[in-house]
Amino acid sequence: QSALTQPPSASGSPGQSVTISCTGTSSDVGGYNYVSWYQQHPGKAPKLLIYEVNKRPSGVPDRFSGSKSGDTASLTVSGLQAEDDAYYYCGSYAGHTNFGVFGGGTKLTVL
Amino acid sequence: EVQLVQSGAEMKKPGESLKISCKASGYSFTSHWIGWVRQMPGKGLEWMGVISPGDSEMRYRPSFQGQVTISADKSINTVYLQWSSLKASDTAIYYCAREAWGSVDCWGHGTLITVSS
Repeated sequence: QSALTQPPSASGSPGQSVTISCTGTSSDVGGYNYVSWYQQHPGKAPKLLIYEVNKRPSGVPDRFSGSKSGDTASLTVSGLQAEDDAYYYCGSYAGHTNFGVFGGGTKLTVL
Repeated sequence: EVQLVQSGAEMKKPGESLKISCKASGYSFTSHWIGWVRQMPGKGLEWMGVISPGDSEMRYRPSFQGQVTISADKSINTVYLQWSSLKASDTAIYYCAREAWGSVDCWGHGTLITVSS
């Protein structure tokens, strides 16, 4: 079972928007509306940003949004702020395993 | 408040056994699957497996099947991850994670396992 595919890096200046992609297959991303996104700062545990493709848990700013088209999901961070400089991971339910799979991670740099 | 509190960091030698724990609080322990996620140094997140605390049904990612054992004790709201014979390549941070349809809505703080001779 392969990890979902994410670009290794992304960048943007404060105030700009950046979109990170996450490509899977019809057995995971494309087959279910159970895509999630996580933010991880160095030395910290990951934090849930988005679940079920485009839902935000309480407390997550609406600058973070998710979407999906076919086998590819996307996370958009609008109005970039310095504290958004972190690693971002996507995840998806994978029916053939009955639990989850993560992407390889994307390092977002705020210039 | 939903919390997952993990046991502390461990330093072990190759071949030794180990069992780490994750104690849940703030919700009905048997209502959610809990899993373990590995993060090797400088690397990404990998699901290892999950357990249903109510009936101890387990599911393992194939690459971890037979390498680790996940168990639960619902009398004390605790999930465990254990190794019978550690290898240097088991050096990593291990997170327990409350799972729902492949997503994690609550993470433990992580347990650093260092295996070195």
